[in-house]
Amino acid sequence: NAGVTQTPKFRVLKTGQSMTLLCAQDMNHEYMYWYRQDPGMGLRLIHYSVGEGTTAKGEVPDGYNVSRLKKQNFLLGLESAAPSQTSVYFCASSYFPTADSNQPQHFGDGTRLSIL
Amino acid sequence: SQQGEEDPQALSIQEGENATMNCSYKTSINNLQWYRQNSGRGLVHLILIRSNEREKHSGRLRVTLDTSKKSSSLLITASRAADTASYFCATPPKGYGNKLVFGAGTILRVKS
Repeated sequence: NAGVTQTPKFRVLKTGQSMTLLCAQDMNHEYMYWYRQDPGMGLRLIHYSVGEGTTAKGEVPDGYNVSRLKKQNFLLGLESAAPSQTSVYFCASSYFPTADSNQPQHFGDGTRLSIL
Repeated sequence: SQQGEEDPQALSIQEGENATMNCSYKTSINNLQWYRQNSGRGLVHLILIRSNEREKHSGRLRVTLDTSKKSSSLLITASRAADTASYFCATPPKGYGNKLVFGAGTILRVKS
């Protein structure tokens, strides 16, 4: 049981290049999330998905696209990378929330992305 | 936008001492969560406290929630060097989706 797995772990890109970050979870979670973490700040939500085939914008969606073609996978794409997108990206997943409370989120170990 | 804000930003204590971190939030919530992040790793869920609970324990962790003051505290008793990490509180914003808004975190260093 691997939990949430992110690939790659590290990547350096040049401005204007594109790439896709992959997140896979084996816990049969309905919900999946992409966050970015910058120094001295908490995590900020980029996009999320409440089920296979659905995606929604989070707090900082500009410059990113996502897809959830399979329940266990959530892809984050950067079409034209910019230096401002240098960050650590975290994927998380969770069960469907109950009527009165959230469910805990389970995180991968992150992808460290540098854009030159 | 940050819903929760932790205090202090950094805390350094000796092994065996207790560590207390505080979180303040702005809007009404139905639950609050605490997470730990070790250096270079992802966040790990520690504890969830619902709005109708005032206190919750999990091993050496004690979390309190005061909805009238919109604040929560995380107490780690008898700290160990392995407790060295960043600690974040997280609260749900309005709307659906099991979303969370994280504070900037408290960096805890436990010296052995």
